[in-house]
Amino acid sequence: DVKVTQSSRYLVKRTGEKVFLECVQDMDHENMFWYRQDPGLGLRLIYFSYDVKMKEKGDIPEGYSVSREKKERFSLILESASTNQTSMYLCASRTLAGGIGEQFFGPGTRLTVL
Amino acid sequence: AQSVTQPDIHITVSEGASLELRCNYSYGATPYLFWYVQSPGQGLQLLLKYFSGDTLVQGIKGFEAEFKRSQSSFNLRKPSVHWSDAAEYFCAVGTGANNLFFGTGTRLTVIP
Repeated sequence: DVKVTQSSRYLVKRTGEKVFLECVQDMDHENMFWYRQDPGLGLRLIYFSYDVKMKEKGDIPEGYSVSREKKERFSLILESASTNQTSMYLCASRTLAGGIGEQFFGPGTRLTVL
Repeated sequence: AQSVTQPDIHITVSEGASLELRCNYSYGATPYLFWYVQSPGQGLQLLLKYFSGDTLVQGIKGFEAEFKRSQSSFNLRKPSVHWSDAAEYFCAVGTGANNLFFGTGTRLTVIP
């Protein structure tokens, strides 16, 4: 089974702190994604990565950056956390082998910024 | 532009009753369609997907969905709901690019 893990389930940070959210997948998937999930808004794509060292902005990249130095790891960085970044953050991965496949999700990190 | 609409924010059904969750999409070409389920505090789990072929697709946990091109719909159904089905359900459309576009979700409550 594909496994996507996220470094923390719950995180509390203060305004202005630099925050790192880590995601690791164990199935050699090419694509990785970061979403944020807010009530009534569904999932919104922040950034995605086609492959190592490649990244593309999603729908709401402002205030975020990402890093993908190794194929299995995709990091989301909040350079200076703000209260409006309090949210659930979900990481996903996908392989394109055989065509468009489904995305596999991690358990999520619930981030609170005070 | 792609979009997904789940018109029902919250649905309550009795255990053992049938269920239908609605999903409408907007996309210019043939879409790839997905239903995911999210239990409280968990990530998303794939229930089923449609890429091509038979428009009625079977998924896990007894769920099925039917793709109707003429109605731009991909509704999720289950003939008899169990208490463990209480969760939030998300419909998503995938395009030729890498993205999935998600609906805003439907929260299902199951009453005994």
